[in-house]
Amino acid sequence: DTGVSQDPRHKITKRGQNVTFRCDPISEHNRLYWYRQTLGQGPEFLTYFQNEAQLEKSRLLSDRFSAERPKGSFSTLEIQRTEQGDSAMYLCASSPVGAGRPYEQYFGPGTRLTVT
Amino acid sequence: TQLLEQSPQFLSIQEGENLTVYCNSSSVFSSLQWYRQEPGEGPVLLVTVVTGGEVKKLKRLTFQFGDARKDSSLHITAAQTGDTGLYLCAGALETSYDKVIFGPGTSLSVIP
Repeated sequence: DTGVSQDPRHKITKRGQNVTFRCDPISEHNRLYWYRQTLGQGPEFLTYFQNEAQLEKSRLLSDRFSAERPKGSFSTLEIQRTEQGDSAMYLCASSPVGAGRPYEQYFGPGTRLTVT
Repeated sequence: TQLLEQSPQFLSIQEGENLTVYCNSSSVFSSLQWYRQEPGEGPVLLVTVVTGGEVKKLKRLTFQFGDARKDSSLHITAAQTGDTGLYLCAGALETSYDKVIFGPGTSLSVIP
């Protein structure tokens, strides 16, 4: 399977703990996006990378959130000192650049975070 | 305020019926995509439209991009239970084509 993969699929953590999620994009895609989705809403943009460079970060993203893509392949999203409001589905997507369609994104299955 | 509005928010229909869902904005988009998302999974890309007035068909699904590239519609003919899911529209703004904005989605339930 050469689709986007995310790990873990589910994470339950206690308030105040740190969590880290991983995303492996489609191998030839150099753009990688992170989104957050809550029930009944569409995905909300968090940040995106082109290769290893983080090009944009949402103003809605607090400084407890950090993302990396150290070698331009997989990416990690870390949330420090989790709060109950962080409970959501965290989605990763990748897209090819140079094919004329950077806006066509291919999503992974998501990581469901529950903060208790 | 949502940059992309979708209507209706919820739709429940009988198998075999036709339906149309809408995606509207006051902004102009260089392209617009439709995705379908099933519970607990990520969205799956259905189609991309890029030209004002463009119509694309995918089996029983017909997608249209408005002439002014501010709105779009998705029409499903003879709905099946497998069409059940959350339909999301997403657009790339002319001013920021590499970032995609998502609408809140239309939740469709097709009852046998």
